Amino acid sequence: QKEVEQNSGPLSVPEGAIASLNCTYSDRVSQSFFWYRQYSGKSPELIMSIYSNGDKEDGRFTAQLNKASQYVSLLIRDSQPSDSATYLCAVFTGKLIFGQGTTLQVKP
Amino acid sequence: DTAVSQTPKYLVTQMGNDKSIKCEQNLGHDTMYWYKQDSKKFLKIMFSYNNKELIINETVPNRFSPKSPDKAHLNLHINSLELGDSAVYFCASSQDRNGETEAFFGQGTRLTVV
Repeated sequence: QKEVEQNSGPLSVPEGAIASLNCTYSDRVSQSFFWYRQYSGKSPELIMSIYSNGDKEDGRFTAQLNKASQYVSLLIRDSQPSDSATYLCAVFTGKLIFGQGTTLQVKP
Repeated sequence: DTAVSQTPKYLVTQMGNDKSIKCEQNLGHDTMYWYKQDSKKFLKIMFSYNNKELIINETVPNRFSPKSPDKAHLNLHINSLELGDSAVYFCASSQDRNGETEAFFGQGTRLTVV
């Protein structure tokens, strides 16, 4: 079992829709959780961090964490074509472990 | 003013050569990392240094040797390059080693071994 798992996609949504990206992790003692966005040919950049159970909202982005289920998700409301990128889930368990990323395509 | 900068951005070299990638951060962070991103976009940690001290050393061939002359710099030297070393290498830094703060990434070095 991979330490951090994501569906590689691609996930295709129409412009204006809600995009839902999911991630599961294997280490129960994981403490910190991050979502990074990576455009093709660019470096990863942080979108959201979340440390406790529940929801955390920042603009059009909402991160959700459920430690009991070892599940973290990212919702993108009112998706825009500029949101098209690979979204990387990262979990800290003594070191920062990344999932393989989910490619999101937002179609105009 | 770039926060984490790597040089070179592109590196094409022949098998068997030795090459180095340099990384510098001006964020005042204590922890620096090297990650390797393969063709499937999987980002895998290689090394981590905290205040010049090696704290993470993943299962990486001995041909890869990181060096941190000070906490703002973390270089990666690769000996006897192999085709399988072709990837994008990212340097990153974070304020602490405890995962409480985000990691900032450099722009990456695309290494192609021919």
